[in-house]
Parts: sequence; structure tokens; C-alpha cells
Amino acid sequence: EVQVVEAGGDLVQPGRSLRLSCTASGFTLSHHIMSWFRQAPGKGLEWVGFIRRRAFGGTTQLAASVRGRFSISRVDSSGVVYLQMDRLKSEDTAVYFCAREGDSAAISPADWYFDLWGRGTLVTVSS
Amino acid sequence: QSVLTQPPSVSGAPGQTVTISCSGGGSNIGSHAVKWVQHLPGTAPRLLAYYNGVRPSGVPARFSGSKSGTSASLAISGLQSEDEADYYCAAWDDSLNGWIFGGGTRLTVL
Repeated sequence: EVQVVEAGGDLVQPGRSLRLSCTASGFTLSHHIMSWFRQAPGKGLEWVGFIRRRAFGGTTQLAASVRGRFSISRVDSSGVVYLQMDRLKSEDTAVYFCAREGDSAAISPADWYFDLWGRGTLVTVSS
Repeated sequence: QSVLTQPPSVSGAPGQTVTISCSGGGSNIGSHAVKWVQHLPGTAPRLLAYYNGVRPSGVPARFSGSKSGTSASLAISGLQSEDEADYYCAAWDDSLNGWIFGGGTRLTVL
């Protein structure tokens, strides 16, 4: 089955760190750009960041709200993408989703689209 | 407050057609393609349309996306009970240099 599954969500204190994983199955992870999104309680979807394919440098881009605190990495051989979250704040409380970009031939992020999503993992930041 | 503006809710009877609007600006919808995502809380979000109106395989033709200027819309015809969900528009924003979403529209099938 073609799917992505998030894991690693937990209750964590403000200022601490947490690493989420996104495991891909049924497709070749190295062929795809991967993104992270989140949804805070009672709020809408928010983009967190993306990581390009290794063939295009594996570079990342993060939303302003998490830049400098979060980072994204990938281990294609294991089929896993990670979201490392440091210096967590209460406003980072959310369900975190990973998603696969469907048109990895497109160079501009504006042309990308997220055609496969996971069910998400809950991160709660509270003392 | 979201950069893209959607109505908080819409409703319709089974079989009817509803339209969800999404208003943006020149740095986002006015310059780039719009995507639409369906999300039933507790489940995986689902891509309904990209490149303004192209449907991924498996998405029924009842879902139709369009764009004009700095606004976009998603029309859902032949409403069914399983269409009850939250719907989000999304686009790249050049000013923010990132993806932005509308606030979401809750569809209720009466």
C-alpha cells in the first residue's frame, strides 16, 4: 500500500526537543520532495517546511514561525523523513502531518502539490 | 488570520451544488496555481485539485476547481453525506516565500 505514516508525537515541556518521523511505503522516497504541515487545535492547516530530493541537493525550506528551531532531514535508504523540533513553544502544539509532493519534476515550489498525506501525530507542548 | 480568505461554513442538501470561495492577492493566487485539500478530522487530508482544477486519480468529477484573477473556487455537485469535511485552499506566496492556506470551510450536508 502506498502510504506515509507519522510517528513520535508526545507531551513535551516548553523549551525541550522532539523528533518526528515519517515513514514511506509503497513508493521510492528518493524520488519525491517531502513536506511537513501542522494543525493546531481548532485551527486550520499550516505549512511547516519541505526537503528537496537528494538529486537536487536535499535542501530545506522552513516557515518563518519555525525557522531556526525546526529542521528537516531524510534517510532515503530507510524510507524515512524526520522533523527535528527544538526549543518547543506552547504554540507548537498541533497534529503534525507529512505529505509527499506529486510532481517532483517541477523546479518551483509554487508548482508542487501534495498528493499523499499521513494521518498525523499529536505534539503537545505544555508544562 | 489567514492570508487566503474562505467562508467558515457552507451547507447544502444531498444532490445539490455548493461552491467554496478562496480570495487572495497578487503574491499568491494572482501569480500561482491553487490547490484544494479535503480533511475530515482524525483522518489523512486528501488532495482534491491542483493546478487550479486538475483532479488526482480517484477524485470524482463532482469536485471542480477554478481560478480567476486573485480568487479561486471549488464547486461540489451532487452533494453526498460523505462530503462532510473541512475544505482548504492553498497556494504559494512570493512575499512570505512559503505555502499558505485558507482558514478552511466546514461543509455540512443537511
